[in-house]
Amino acid sequence: KNEVEQSPQNLTAQEGEFITINCSYSVGISALHWLQQHPGGGIVSLFMLSSGKKKHGRLIATINIQEKHSSLHITASHPRDSAVYICAVGSYNTDKLIFGTGTRLQVFP
Amino acid sequence: DGGITQSPKYLFRKEGQNVTLSCEQNLNHDAMYWYRQDPGQGLRLIYYSQIVNDFQKGDIAEGYSVSREKKESFPLTVTSAQKNPTAFYLCASSARQGGTEAFFGQGTRLTVV
Repeated sequence: KNEVEQSPQNLTAQEGEFITINCSYSVGISALHWLQQHPGGGIVSLFMLSSGKKKHGRLIATINIQEKHSSLHITASHPRDSAVYICAVGSYNTDKLIFGTGTRLQVFP
Repeated sequence: DGGITQSPKYLFRKEGQNVTLSCEQNLNHDAMYWYRQDPGQGLRLIYYSQIVNDFQKGDIAEGYSVSREKKESFPLTVTSAQKNPTAFYLCASSARQGGTEAFFGQGTRLTVV
């Protein structure tokens, strides 16, 4: 079993829909990261969080440390949100980043 | 603007040749990393470095080598010993490992023919 699991693996949506991507992990963490990878391949860091909730524009990330679970929400989705969203955790023990396999999101107009 | 730069974006090499991928950052970050990404798999750590002149093997270091002679540079050499080198390679840096924000380069897609 992977130490970081994301769901769903693939997600399609119509423009304007509310989107949720989930991440569960099984290790102790120092922080959780949400990353965005566009088709060209480059990765952008969206959020880093260790508790609670963060918001940036239409993106919201939450984390529940007790349940070892995080969610990334996109409100009023737009075709430009189409990308792969990756969850990664900083392992508390080894201090290394462990990555999920990503969620491929396609938003259609 | 501060950032992390990988070059080249696309690279083609013949089988049996060594090839070096460049990674430079001007963020004054101590930690730098190299990851490999294959279709349907998460990023896997090849090598990482926490300070100049020191680096450690990651999960899939066989067939790769690195150096960290300068804080801002962490080049990765894909050697002929790497059995399946065709992949997408990503470089990243952070102030320190794990608990701080990581910045990623744009990646290098290496194709070995």
